[in-house]
Amino acid sequence: AQTVTQSQPEMSVQEAETVTLSCTYDTSESDYYLFWYKQPPSRQMILVIRQEAYKQQNATENRFSVNFQKAAKSFSLKISDSQLGDAAMYFCAYRRNNAGNMLTFGGGTRLMVKP
Amino acid sequence: GAVVSQHPSRVICKSGTSVKIECRSLDFQATTMFWYRQFPKQSLMLMATSNEGSKATYEQGVEKDKFLINHASLTLSTLTVTSAHPEDSSFYICSARDGPRGGYTFGSGTRLTVV
Repeated sequence: AQTVTQSQPEMSVQEAETVTLSCTYDTSESDYYLFWYKQPPSRQMILVIRQEAYKQQNATENRFSVNFQKAAKSFSLKISDSQLGDAAMYFCAYRRNNAGNMLTFGGGTRLMVKP
Repeated sequence: GAVVSQHPSRVICKSGTSVKIECRSLDFQATTMFWYRQFPKQSLMLMATSNEGSKATYEQGVEKDKFLINHASLTLSTLTVTSAHPEDSSFYICSARDGPRGGYTFGSGTRLTVV
């Protein structure tokens, strides 16, 4: 079974600084997707970034980028120029590349942004 | 972008009554939807996978007679919590796959309180 581990229950960062959230996963599959979701206090799940496992290039979305290390099964999220609105729970998630397969979530990391 | 509408956002019910939660994909067809439960400060736990026109697949430990799932059309899945008890109080979230790239769109969640 696939598992996703986020080893940092809480992180804090100064506004405008950079922070990296860690995620590791365990799978025997070679074709899969990885995601980072943000859950602000409203509790709406918002997709931050996604990575296809077959792509070697790390995904980037504006201030958000990932460091995808397939061999190490590591998928960290880097947030640059942190903003107050980035404060939220962040969940790393895994999905096998098969139609209908569900997401497996990590335990989450609470990110606090200090003004 | 893809939108999933979930209603109600909050519901309070008396112990022993049933509550129905609706999840609709507004601008796409969702043959598969997923229902999650989230306890405070915890991650999302998959309860069941809802398949249009067929029986839902429940995760281990989830009582299918208590959490009735119906997916009668390509845009609507419902979760009915039957004979609700205080321990069923939680945050329930639905999601649907929103395209070929493997992403998922989430509903805004339902906070259920059983008194």
